[in-house]
Amino acid sequence: DGGITQSPKYLFRKEGQNVTLSCEQNLNHDAMYWYRQDPGQGLRLIYYSQIVNDFQKGDIAEGYSVSREKKESFPLTVTSAQKNPTAFYLCASRRVTSSYEQYFGPGTRLTVT
Amino acid sequence: QKEVEQNSGPLSVPEGAIASLNCTYSDRGSQSFFWYRQYSGKSPELIMFIYSNGDKEDGRFTAQLNKASQYVSLLIRDSQPSDSATYLCAGVLSGGSNYKLTFGKGTLLTVNP
Repeated sequence: DGGITQSPKYLFRKEGQNVTLSCEQNLNHDAMYWYRQDPGQGLRLIYYSQIVNDFQKGDIAEGYSVSREKKESFPLTVTSAQKNPTAFYLCASRRVTSSYEQYFGPGTRLTVT
Repeated sequence: QKEVEQNSGPLSVPEGAIASLNCTYSDRGSQSFFWYRQYSGKSPELIMFIYSNGDKEDGRFTAQLNKASQYVSLLIRDSQPSDSATYLCAGVLSGGSNYKLTFGKGTLLTVNP
């Protein structure tokens, strides 16, 4: 089955700890994205990557870091510098050559206490 | 700041009725709009996209784009209780990266049996 997987589905961490969220796709998509969703707010772009070994900051990159060492993988690290890390994190991907549509993974719900 | 605006709702319609969801955008040069459906606790699912002025139909769904008036709408005919969800409007706004979608905050639709 082709698709985007995110793990884990739920993640609990103590304040001050870094945590890495996984995102893998087997759609052969070039571009990958990380969004954050908070209640009552739309999706906000954290980072995106159009090709391997290259990525750009989105609208709310502070306190986050990413890597893109493989086309299939785009992990997001939520660092202790992120002031309000509790949120629903969504990874998406897009096939650059054809259109603008982005497809989402199932998401990871992160709770930091 | 270039934005996509949606009425947060909730919008409530009886089963079998037409649900009309609306979205406006601030920049006249914007192109390419998308409608995502998001069930509670789940990730967004792409249901329609529209790139040109006019109507685009897919089953019970019709997307409408009016670039002169800067609005996008989604009509759902013969609404079913399973259509109850939050609907997110997103667009590729002019002046930005072609890879970036800007999302509205979503409209909650409830279809009553």
